[in-house]
Order: sequence, then structure tokens, then C-alpha cells
Amino acid sequence: GDSVTQTEGLVTVTEGLPVMLNCTYQTAYSDVAFFWYVQYLNEAPKLLLRSSTDNKRTEHQGFHATLHKSSSSFHLQKSSVQLSDSALYYCALSDLGGSAKLIFGEGTKLTVSS
Amino acid sequence: NAGVIQTPRHKVTGKGQEATLWCEPISGHSAVFWYRQTIVQGLEFLTYFRNQAPIDDSGMPKERFSAQMPNQSHSTLKIQSTQPQDSAVYLCASSLGWGQNTLYFGAGTRLSVL
Repeated sequence: GDSVTQTEGLVTVTEGLPVMLNCTYQTAYSDVAFFWYVQYLNEAPKLLLRSSTDNKRTEHQGFHATLHKSSSSFHLQKSSVQLSDSALYYCALSDLGGSAKLIFGEGTKLTVSS
Repeated sequence: NAGVIQTPRHKVTGKGQEATLWCEPISGHSAVFWYRQTIVQGLEFLTYFRNQAPIDDSGMPKERFSAQMPNQSHSTLKIQSTQPQDSAVYLCASSLGWGQNTLYFGAGTRLSVL
């Protein structure tokens, strides 16, 4: 079945430095959308960015991700993290042609230190 | 727009008791989803409804979990004979439906089974 893998459970980065959160996937579907959700402490998960186009960079709030179907990846990056970026980040996929559910990875907790 | 509303925010039950969790989706959204969030598993899909009809309950533990959507303004998740391993945050989300797979989450209900 479909699956999303986030290999890092915890990432710690110093403020001002770059970060990349890894996301790889397996899917049998051809028409698929990919998502990054962010969850701040004691809040609901909310959409950070979304993409369904191969090799196209998507940006929001200083974060960016590019879907690479050749490597089955949708890594999240930011060039200079801020303390306020500390949160739990989830990668997810959804089959656009069938079920509307999102399949999430295990999540990566990003901690930004000063 | 108040967003997805979940009640209660916290629920404590004794082992073997029943727990009912409530969700009010965003008005106009046709799809409602239930997820379970734990540190180890991340966001696990449980079930979802479209236009109040159950579509996919592949993530639901069959014996003690049930979900209903009696009208377009609310859904319930019921757990019978709760066990300590049911302790988690239960998240409800809604979306516009077909082709609009972005989910909007509620703040969740934290269930603690003692």
C-alpha cells in the first residue's frame, strides 16, 4: 500500500542555519498530491504547502519543497530557520483520483535553538 | 469561520468505560476525517465520510471503535471498553471533497485511559 517515510524523528538546528526535513514515499497511484503540515505546540496541524507537479518548487512562509518523482521524494527545506519554526512537521500524500484521505509520515520534530 | 470544532478537548476514562468524541466540521465541507495521533505512530488514519456516508474505515480497529455522521454538522467517534493503548489525541478534519484534498484539522481531543 501507499506509505510516507520521514526518517528523522527529531532535528535540532541553530537559529539562522539551513534545514532539510526528509520525506520519501511509495505509491501505486499516478495522480497524487503531496503535502507538508506543521503543528505548533498545543495547536491543530495546518497546511504548510502542497504540490502535485513533478520538479516544480513550491514555497510558503520561507519554506520550500520540490516533488521529485524520480526519487520519490518531497523534502522540506528552509535556508535560515527561526526560533518560531520549532514545531512538528508531517509529510503526507493523497490519491487525487480516488480516496480523499491523506496518508501521513511519522512526523519530524524540529527544534530551533538560539 | 470557526474552523473544525472538537469536544471535549480532554477526556479521562477508566479502563473498560466508553468514550464518545464529537466533531463539528467546517460549514460547506463535504468530507470529514478522523485520525489518531501518537508520538510513536504519528497521524494514523481511522475513517472518513463524504456527504455523511462512510467511505473508508480501513484504519478503524474493528471491535471497539465506531464512527457516525448523522447530519452534515457533526460526527462522532465512539470507543467502547477503552483500553490504556487507546490513549492518544484524536483529530477530526474536514475538506471540501473531491479534488480538494487539503484537510483542515480541529485542535483534537486528548483521551487518557487510566
